[in-house]
Amino acid sequence: GAVVSQHPSWVICKSGTSVKIECRSLDFQATTMFWYRQFPKQSLMLMATSNEGSKATYEQGVEKDKFLINHASLTLSTLTVTSAHPEDSSFYICSARWGGQPQHFGDGTRLSIL
Amino acid sequence: GENVEQHPSTLSVQEGDSAVIKCTYSDSASNYFPWYKQELGKGPQLIIDIRSNVGEKKDQRIAVTLNKTAKHFSLHITETQPEDSAVYFCAAPFMDTGRRALTFGSGTRLQVQP
Repeated sequence: GAVVSQHPSWVICKSGTSVKIECRSLDFQATTMFWYRQFPKQSLMLMATSNEGSKATYEQGVEKDKFLINHASLTLSTLTVTSAHPEDSSFYICSARWGGQPQHFGDGTRLSIL
Repeated sequence: GENVEQHPSTLSVQEGDSAVIKCTYSDSASNYFPWYKQELGKGPQLIIDIRSNVGEKKDQRIAVTLNKTAKHFSLHITETQPEDSAVYFCAAPFMDTGRRALTFGSGTRLQVQP
């Protein structure tokens, strides 16, 4: 089946630093990638939709200058959390799809800001 | 936008019993309804999905039913096993802007007692 790889799986960093998370579709070309955030014992909340070669579309309330998304190729999207603070600590999950196929999710990145 | 409600929030069953999780959605234009299983510390895994042109779909011990008139769909797991223990999410697509992103239900924590 379709495989989406996310890296790193876990990162701890100091407040004020920037963190980059990679999302790769390993066996298909993803026309669209999505970034979600999940707080403990809660559901997934969509942050942004990313199409290859174009600017990401952010959901209401998500700061585009804080959460930078780049989708430079059909197999790679990156999310950079800039100047991260403790309230940004969360589980970040990407998903990818192509054509009319279902979304397939990565295994998430647990971000802890000290 | 789409609003998805999911019940129950927790469900405990004995091994071998059946489990049923229900979701309702608000946008009558929604045409695709996936179910995801999320194990601790991992991303959601697609387990079954259904499109609006059918009323039921089955895959071994898992089935999904859809009632378009009532705008609800359900996940049925028969002969439950301990490895079925996880959090299950229903989802429906954002239809208003054609983003093809998913909005998720609040999740059901299923525990199968051996």
